Amino acid sequence: DGGITQSPKYLFRKEGQNVTLSCEQNLNHDAMYWYRQDPGQGLRLIYYSQIVNDFQKGDIAEGYSVSREKKESFPLTVTSAQKNPTAFYLCASSGERTGVPGELFFGEGSRLTVL
Amino acid sequence: RKEVEQDPGPFNVPEGATVAFNCTYSNSASQSFFWYRQDCRKEPKLLMSVYSSGNEDGRFTAQLNRASQYISLLIRDSKLSDSATYLCVVNTGNQFYFGTGTSLTVIP
Repeated sequence: DGGITQSPKYLFRKEGQNVTLSCEQNLNHDAMYWYRQDPGQGLRLIYYSQIVNDFQKGDIAEGYSVSREKKESFPLTVTSAQKNPTAFYLCASSGERTGVPGELFFGEGSRLTVL
Repeated sequence: RKEVEQDPGPFNVPEGATVAFNCTYSNSASQSFFWYRQDCRKEPKLLMSVYSSGNEDGRFTAQLNRASQYISLLIRDSKLSDSATYLCVVNTGNQFYFGTGTSLTVIP
């Protein structure tokens, strides 16, 4: 089954600790994205990558870092510099569909709670 | 100005009702348009892509008006299981832009 796998699903972290969220896709998509969603709010873009070994900051990149060493993988590190990291994190990927951008496919999300 | 604007609702409708959601986008160069459904504490899932000619999938009809830069979603014969948040999503260049979502509750 093709899709996106995020892990862990739930994560608890103490203040001051870095944590890495995993995102793997087997859809052969070039583009991958990380979003953050807070309760009752819309999705906000953290980082995105259009191709291996390249990525760009989104609207709220401060306190986060990413890497894209393989096409299938786009891990997100939430660093201790992120002031309010408790949130629902969603990874997504997209491909092309007859020359126009195709839809976003989402993983099931990772829910991070800072204690 | 936000890239995508959407009425947050909430919409509370009885079973069997017809409900319509609208969404406007600001960039005339936008290329792809979608409606997603998001259940509480879950990831968004694609409901429909939206095409200029309009498209229908069972009880759901989506329309795109490029001249006025708006997208609509019509749900006929609402079911209890339609209760969710509906997200309007627009692709412009390399990025996707999301509306804040419209909350729908279908009441027995």
